[in-house]
Amino acid sequence: NAGVTQTPKFRILKIGQSMTLQCAQDMNHNYMYWYRQDPGMGLKLIYYSVGAGITDKGEVPNGYNVSRSTTEDFPLRLELAAPSQTSVYFCASIGGQPYNEQFFGPGTRLTVL
Amino acid sequence: AQSVTQPDIHITVSEGASLELRCNYSYGATPYLFWYVQSPGQGLQLLLKYFSGDTLVQGIKGFEAEFKRSQSSFNLRKPSVHWSDAAEYFCAVVLTGTASKLTFGTGTRLQVTL
Repeated sequence: NAGVTQTPKFRILKIGQSMTLQCAQDMNHNYMYWYRQDPGMGLKLIYYSVGAGITDKGEVPNGYNVSRSTTEDFPLRLELAAPSQTSVYFCASIGGQPYNEQFFGPGTRLTVL
Repeated sequence: AQSVTQPDIHITVSEGASLELRCNYSYGATPYLFWYVQSPGQGLQLLLKYFSGDTLVQGIKGFEAEFKRSQSSFNLRKPSVHWSDAAEYFCAVVLTGTASKLTFGTGTRLQVTL
């Protein structure tokens, strides 16, 4: 199993551009999450999904959108990128019993200039 | 307000010395508790978790944590630190019925001197 994979690893965007951060997992996990990590702030939940076709907002959803058309994929869309979205983005998934370990991807480092 | 607090932003210990990283939570009920470690440029790896039962839990890499309900704390410990333990450590909680959403503390960066 590849686990949770994220692409790209790094990206530089200009203000106002859009992009999609890709996340995929091959563990047949139902629950998937997007977090952002800012220095000294820990990780904050952006969006999450409890299954294909079901998504919901987390703590910091503004400026982002998600979709979940398959169990495997959970892309995060940034529309009209802003400097405040400069961050490291992590995707995670969980399967089996609830409250088990969340498996994290390696992250995407995004800079908006 | 509900929160997870890691009061130490940065800790430096000598290799071979003992380590304790503090974590306090503020919730109406006891949440599920986790410790994650993040090496530089890497994702997060679970060290250990507490759901119920024995309040002293053992994790990977020789780490342990003790849940103290009276103090709302879940401190991480290691008897003898190795240089490879240098990393950032995050305490996190999940409340029941919340789709397993993690709420993280702000992290403690551990530096190990030789």
